[in-house]
Amino acid sequence: TQLLKQSPQFLSIQEGENLTVYCNSSSVFSSLQWYRQEPGEGPVLLVTVVTGGEVKKLKRLTFQFGDARKDSSLHITAAQPGDTGLYLCAITSGTYKYIFGTGTRLKVLA
Amino acid sequence: GAVVSQHPSRVICKSGTSVKIECRSLDFQATTMFWYRQFPKQSLMLMATSNEGSKATYEQGVEKDKFLINHASLTLSTLTVTSAHPEDSSFYICSARALAGGQTQYFGPGTRLLVL
Repeated sequence: TQLLKQSPQFLSIQEGENLTVYCNSSSVFSSLQWYRQEPGEGPVLLVTVVTGGEVKKLKRLTFQFGDARKDSSLHITAAQPGDTGLYLCAITSGTYKYIFGTGTRLKVLA
Repeated sequence: GAVVSQHPSRVICKSGTSVKIECRSLDFQATTMFWYRQFPKQSLMLMATSNEGSKATYEQGVEKDKFLINHASLTLSTLTVTSAHPEDSSFYICSARALAGGQTQYFGPGTRLLVL
């Protein structure tokens, strides 16, 4: 069974601070997605990374795919209260099934 | 972008009753839909994969007779929680993969089920 572990599990920071969330797999995967979920809502896709070493930017969010394609990171610069939520990484397994990471719950204080 | 809806958004029912949750892809055809369950402060756990016109594939540990899935068309899948019990209370989320959309899944807004 492929495991997808995220760290840290919880993170509470002040507005304006930077942070990095990590997603690590026990084996190589072909692509990885990052989602953000707010309470009481479904996950919203942030980005898909496919190529080892790939870096993608989405405003203040920077996503990186590890060279060995077993890990990924999400870096947020100058966090804002609107960034608060549950961040989930997910990989595709078998017939298009997603395996979700354990999640990182972020709270940004004003 | 691709939109997926769920109905109802929240439901409260008595123990022993059955509850049906609908998942619709509004502006695209979905050959495959997925049903997830999410307990408080936890990640999403895949329950089953639903393919249009065929039987759903359930993940290990998920009772197929308790969680009935029907995928009657390319835009609708339903999950029926039969004889619901308090431990079935959870946040149920569906997702849909477009007919020609690769691996990306589009998620619905979720359904909060509370069984009293």
